[in-house]
Amino acid sequence: IAGITQAPTSQILAAGRRMTLRCTQDMRHNAMYWYRQDLGLGLRLIHYSNTAGTTGKGEVPDGYSVSRANTDDFPLTLASAVPSQTSVYFCASSDFPDSTDTQYFGPGTRLTVL
Amino acid sequence: GQNIDQPTEMTATEGAIVQINCTYQTSGFNGLFWYQQHAGEAPTFLSYNVLDGLEEKGRFSSFLSRSKGYSYLLLKELQMKDSASYLCAVRDSNYQLIWGAGTKLIIKP
Repeated sequence: IAGITQAPTSQILAAGRRMTLRCTQDMRHNAMYWYRQDLGLGLRLIHYSNTAGTTGKGEVPDGYSVSRANTDDFPLTLASAVPSQTSVYFCASSDFPDSTDTQYFGPGTRLTVL
Repeated sequence: GQNIDQPTEMTATEGAIVQINCTYQTSGFNGLFWYQQHAGEAPTFLSYNVLDGLEEKGRFSSFLSRSKGYSYLLLKELQMKDSASYLCAVRDSNYQLIWGAGTKLIIKP
């Protein structure tokens, strides 16, 4: 079934630990995105990639890094987790630069940093 | 700065019609999206408007006025499964999506 998968589904992490959230899509979309969603706030873009081999910073990139070695995978790494990074993380992909460029979302990862 | 405004919460009755408004101030405009998000789930795409006017898709319609920086999502014949949050997002001049905080819609029998 075509779509986006994310792993893990949820994670509790001690502050200071390193963590990588995984995202894989099989729709052959060019662009991929990482968002965080916090209560009362809109989705906020962390990092994005318009095509394999390129990445860009979004609205809230500090404390996060990404890589895009191939079309399908777009992992998000927290080098040293802090409690303010407790959030729900969504990965998305789109067929940029398609005229509509609609973004499709993975199921999310719920991360708690203690 | 860039801003998307939506009501925080709305309540409607099963079988009725509800209109969810969205106003925006962004640096440039390259389309407006509506997404539905059930609690604990991912956002799912509902509609896209880039030109002024009404786009109809079954029970859901979306309207856009670019000169007023305004859109609405109209849901007809409400069903209990329509209870969800509805997210408005605008694609700006950098082709990034700017998201509203979402409107939580509660449907009562």
